[in-house]
Amino acid sequence: DVKVTQSSRYLVKRTGEKVFLECVQDMDHENMFWYRQDPGLGLRLIYFSYDVKMKEKGDIPEGYSVSREKKERFSLILESASTNQTSMYLCASLNRADEAFFGQGTRLTVV
Amino acid sequence: QQQVKQSPQSLIVQKGGISIINCAYENTAFDYFPWYQQFPGKGPALLIAIRPDVSEKKEGRFTISFNKSAKQFSLHIMDSQPGDSATYFCAAALEANDYKLSFGAGTTVTVRA
Repeated sequence: DVKVTQSSRYLVKRTGEKVFLECVQDMDHENMFWYRQDPGLGLRLIYFSYDVKMKEKGDIPEGYSVSREKKERFSLILESASTNQTSMYLCASLNRADEAFFGQGTRLTVV
Repeated sequence: QQQVKQSPQSLIVQKGGISIINCAYENTAFDYFPWYQQFPGKGPALLIAIRPDVSEKKEGRFTISFNKSAKQFSLHIMDSQPGDSATYFCAAALEANDYKLSFGAGTTVTVRA
């Protein structure tokens, strides 16, 4: 079974804090993604990585950055958390048959 | 601007009934159209997918209908069961663009016993 593991299910952070969300996949997938899920908006792509140290902006990259130092690990960084970044964050990795496997999500609340 | 528009936002169906969810897309270059199913507290999981060279794909009780000229596709859940109660997302992607998925807003399906 493919496993995509996100380090935290729930996080509460203060405005202005630097926040790290970690994601690890165990299937040697090359492509990894970070999405944010909000009611009525579906999932929106924040950043994408197709190889170690490679990254591309998605549709809503403002206020976020990413890091991919190892193939299995893709981190999302909120440089200075704001209340409008309160959301569910989903990490995914993609196999060669084009199926995306998602983690269980991290519900982040910024107060 | 959302590239994939999904409707309805929610629907309630009786056990044994048919659930229908519709999606429309803008980018005619899209060549991959998956549907994802999400249960509360879980991440989305691939349910069924179609490519534009076919007009219909069926897997068990789930069927995708695809209308390329209208730029629309839909999910039909036949003989809906309470275990089908979930949120369903349609999506579209381009193989040449590394399958970056553009998602619809989601439809919450409730199946009443």
